[in-house]
Amino acid sequence: QVQLQESGPGLVKPSQTLSLTCTVSGGSISSGNYYWNWIRQPAGKGLEWIGRIYTSGSTNDNPSLKSRVTISVDMSKNQVSLKLSSVTAADTAVYYCARDQVSSMYYLDLWGRGTLVTVSS
Amino acid sequence: EIVLTQSPGTLSLSPGEGATLSCRASQSVRSYLAWYQQKPGQAPRLLIYDASNRATGIPARFSGSGSGTDFTLTISSLEPEDFALYYCQQRSSWPWTFGQGTKVEIK
Repeated sequence: QVQLQESGPGLVKPSQTLSLTCTVSGGSISSGNYYWNWIRQPAGKGLEWIGRIYTSGSTNDNPSLKSRVTISVDMSKNQVSLKLSSVTAADTAVYYCARDQVSSMYYLDLWGRGTLVTVSS
Repeated sequence: EIVLTQSPGTLSLSPGEGATLSCRASQSVRSYLAWYQQKPGQAPRLLIYDASNRATGIPARFSGSGSGTDFTLTISSLEPEDFALYYCQQRSSWPWTFGQGTKVEIK
């Protein structure tokens, strides 16, 4: 079955760019009407939706993160990427990738296990 | 953005009891609301979509209701594995938002 796995540096310095990858296994990232999302969760807090991308490259994002977010897809590698620039301690969180699709009525029906990113000098 | 407010923050119940969780939206989200369950150290799992539809593989003891601004997740009889955090989420308008969560704990 399809699985998602997030990866990337666990520690990022303030003002730098956080870069994460979500690898899709067990299926093609471009098959079906799939959207690929990033969500984050600071320790002990709730969930914040960051944005999503369709395999065509079209995106939706969260204005609260202003222009710091870039989400991209690499179909040759079956990966989705997240870049978050100018990070601060407030960006410390577990970052999840997740899928939504027409058959789940565009709700998040498959999630990765998440990866913890700490912003600290 | 639409703010989702969940109540109560914590629900202390015993196995076998019923649970009623509430999610209120700051403006109408029609029926575009989902419920997720999250256990410690795990990713959230989709339980209910479009306010009242159970996701694949979700037991019948979970049910959702509501539309507009007021929604309810009901667990008819709590099983030990149901003690967890529950979040609501709306997809009615951008950006998608989540509630702050309700913890269902063992009394």
